[in-house]
Amino acid sequence: DADVTQTPRNRITKTGKRIMLECSQTKGHDRMYWYRQDPGLGLRLIYYSFDVKDINKGEISDGYSVSRQAQAKFSLSLESAIPNQTALYFCATSPTGGLGYTFGSGTRLTVV
Amino acid sequence: DQQVKQNSPSLSVQEGRISILNCDYTNSMFDYFLWYKKYPAEGPTFLISISSIKDKNEDGRFTVFLNKSAKHLSLHIVPSQPGDSAVYFCAATYNNNDMRFGAGTRLTVKP
Repeated sequence: DADVTQTPRNRITKTGKRIMLECSQTKGHDRMYWYRQDPGLGLRLIYYSFDVKDINKGEISDGYSVSRQAQAKFSLSLESAIPNQTALYFCATSPTGGLGYTFGSGTRLTVV
Repeated sequence: DQQVKQNSPSLSVQEGRISILNCDYTNSMFDYFLWYKKYPAEGPTFLISISSIKDKNEDGRFTVFLNKSAKHLSLHIVPSQPGDSAVYFCAATYNNNDMRFGAGTRLTVKP
C-alpha cells in the first residue's frame, strides 16, 4: 500500500457542487499539506496542518476548506466548485523537524 | 507572487551528456532548497537538497549548486539517462515552514 493515499484518483464534477478530496497516510507524520498543480504554475500550497489541532492557509486558500480528522487523515473540500478549480491536487506529508515531503499520487479534478 | 522560479519549461539533452536545470528565488529568508522529480501519474519524489550554508551537494549522478548572492541554484545530472526524463521541481523553505515550488522543467533525455 502507498504511504500517502489520495481518493478519488479522478473526478469530474459540475459547477456549484460540493466535493471532498481525501488523503490518508501511514507514515506517522504530523504535518500534512494540500497542493494544486497547474501548467506553468507548478505546485501551489492551498492549506497545511502541522498537527491535528493546527490548520493554516496557504497561498491560494480561497474557495477551499480542510479538515484534519486525525493524524493520518486530511481532507480538502471545495464548497462550490468552479471551472478554474480544475487541476491536479496533491496531498503531502512530512515529519516535524524534517524536510522531506512524501506525496500522494494525486487527484485529477475536472469541474465542468 | 512566485518566490521560486524555473524559467525553462522544457529541456532536451542527449543520453550521456550533462543536463543542467536552473532555478531562481526571490526570498532571501529561504534556508533550504530541494529538487523533486515527477513522473506522469505519480506524485513528486524527493531527489536532492542543499542547505543555505553550503554551495554544493552531490549524490551520485546528481549535484546541486547554490549561489546565494545571485539567489540561484542549479541541478546537474551527469551522465543523463533516458530514465531521468521527468518533470523536475525546484522547492525552497525557511525555518522548516511550508515549502514553495517552482513551475517545473520537463527534461527529456534522448537515447
